[in-house]
Amino acid sequence: GQQVQQSPASLVLQEGENAELQCNFSTSLNSMQWFYQRPGGSLVSLFYNPSGTKHSGRLTSTTVIKERRSSLHISSSQTTDSGTYLCALDWGTGYQNFYFGKGTSLTVIP
Amino acid sequence: DPKIIQKPKYLVAVTGSEKILICEQYLGHNAMYWYRQSAKKPLEFMFSYSYQKLMDNQTASSRFQPQSSKKNHLDLQITALKPDDSATYFCASSQDLGGRYEQYFGPGTRLTVL
Repeated sequence: GQQVQQSPASLVLQEGENAELQCNFSTSLNSMQWFYQRPGGSLVSLFYNPSGTKHSGRLTSTTVIKERRSSLHISSSQTTDSGTYLCALDWGTGYQNFYFGKGTSLTVIP
Repeated sequence: DPKIIQKPKYLVAVTGSEKILICEQYLGHNAMYWYRQSAKKPLEFMFSYSYQKLMDNQTASSRFQPQSSKKNHLDLQITALKPDDSATYFCASSQDLGGRYEQYFGPGTRLTVL
């Protein structure tokens, strides 16, 4: 079946350190999206990145379809980056049913 | 200004009662969705709508009924509430249905069933 796995499950960083979050999927996908979920629960779209590399400020997302993985790189982490990072995948088998991973919980300490 | 409004933000209900969760989007999108996030579980897709028509339903229980009175509204009616229904319910929208359109999420309604 279709599966999505995120790693690590949790991560603690010292402010200023970099982070690499991974999203691995079991079958070829139609599209994928990275989200940031605030401690209060709301979701913010970070990247819509079905393939290739995208940059936004200190964030970089790279999706390699043939390797069935996507990564989210956070450079020079800040305490405000703390929260949960989710990848969501669409395998094109339904009407844009995004399947979410369990997320990576990131804590950045000062 | 918030582009996707969900009301209420918090909701407490008793077992067996019925509640309606409200969602309105002001992004001009044609597709809308409901997701659920229970404690310690991934976000789970429930429904998708396009031009006010139900396109996909991944919810096993008929106690969950989406209602679309306008193109930019997608409410969720939940009947015969159970404690297991306790979760945060997120509404989302995208320009159109299909994997190439980015999804935007509302702030969620946190439902607690006692």
